[in-house]
Amino acid sequence: QKEVEQDPGPLSVPEGAIVSLNCTYSNSAFQYFMWYRQYSRKGPELLMYTYSSGNKEDGRFTAQVDKSSKYISLFIRDSQPSDSATYLCAMSEDFGNEKLTFGTGTRLTIIP
Amino acid sequence: GAVVSQHPSWVICKSGTSVKIECRSLDFQATTMFWYRQFPKQSLMLMATSNEGSKATYEQGVEKDKFLINHASLTLSTLTVTSAHPEDSSFYICSAGANTGELFFGEGSRLTVL
Repeated sequence: QKEVEQDPGPLSVPEGAIVSLNCTYSNSAFQYFMWYRQYSRKGPELLMYTYSSGNKEDGRFTAQVDKSSKYISLFIRDSQPSDSATYLCAMSEDFGNEKLTFGTGTRLTIIP
Repeated sequence: GAVVSQHPSWVICKSGTSVKIECRSLDFQATTMFWYRQFPKQSLMLMATSNEGSKATYEQGVEKDKFLINHASLTLSTLTVTSAHPEDSSFYICSAGANTGELFFGEGSRLTVL
């Protein structure tokens, strides 16, 4: 079993829809949870990070962490074609210069 | 945000040759840099952790003699793929840690070994 499980998709939704991306994990020591966006042939860029359980909102993006269920989510509201990318969840036991454990990434396409 | 530059972004080489990839933190000093490998439609797999002035720490299954990592300064780490073979063809990505705790990723280097 992988430490972090993420549905690879692909996921296609119409423009304006709400997108839900999810990851599950097995390591209860993970404390920091991150979502990265990766465009084709580019390096990942950090979208959001969350410490422990709870919600965090940034514009159209909301990250949720449920440590009791070992389940994290990223919601994208009012999705735009420019949101089309691969979204990777990542986790670590500590924050700051710590190696990350990544999910496989979900390829998302927003259809105009 | 902070910028991490990788060079080259794309390289093709013949089997048996060695290829060096550079990772630079352009506007901050990074005591730790990480090297990842990513196959198509797969996640980033950590290869090694590079610490300035000391030997790199390799993940299980990564050949340290095959993938030479040098972190000579606080702004530069290099990955050398020695005696490259077609199975080494992949997307190599580095990340660097800023003192804010955030990790910034390079744009990646696509290696194709013929």
